[in-house]
Amino acid sequence: DAEITQSPRHKITETGRQVTLACHQTWNHNNMFWYRQDLGHGLRLIHYSYGVQDTNKGEVSDGYSVSRSNTEDLPLTLESAASSQTSVYFCASSAGTGNNQPQHFGDGTRLSIL
Amino acid sequence: SQKIEQNSEALNIQEGKTATLTCNYTNYSPAYLQWYRQDPGRGPVFLLLIRENEKEKRKERLKVTFDTTLKQSLFHITASQPADSATYLCALDPGGGNKLTFGTGTQLKVEL
Repeated sequence: DAEITQSPRHKITETGRQVTLACHQTWNHNNMFWYRQDLGHGLRLIHYSYGVQDTNKGEVSDGYSVSRSNTEDLPLTLESAASSQTSVYFCASSAGTGNNQPQHFGDGTRLSIL
Repeated sequence: SQKIEQNSEALNIQEGKTATLTCNYTNYSPAYLQWYRQDPGRGPVFLLLIRENEKEKRKERLKVTFDTTLKQSLFHITASQPADSATYLCALDPGGGNKLTFGTGTQLKVEL
């Protein structure tokens, strides 16, 4: 069965360090998204991609970057981790055939920055 | 400003009853709305999508309504079961491109 996997599931790091969260999907979807989920805010869009070599900023992109070198992967990098980036991060993908496609989510990475 | 509101208080209902969850939005004109279920420690799972020209959509025990005049969607679970206990999220795509904006979710607890 097709799936979307995130790694690691949990990570603890220190402020100022660079951190990369992995996202891998086997749906062969063109669209991929990164969200963060915080209490009281719901899911907020960080970055998204509509295909290889395409990346775009979302609502809360400051301090984050992504790259899309193939269809399957969209790694999320925190260039210099800050305590405000402590959150649960979700990756999602959707087919690129229209605006009303459901998104398939991974099970998240819980990131703690001390 | 644009806003999606879901009842932040948990909804507790008895098994067998119908659960009704509300999603209100302001300053959007969405072409469609989606509902997701999220269990603790897991990612959201897509349940239903309803388009602006559809008043109602059903899937098994689930029913969604979409009132673009009231700017509201209602999500119903009939004959609720303890296994339906989860957080339910509504989501809109304000600008197209399948970029979703989510509500904060409503936690549903179905008790025996």
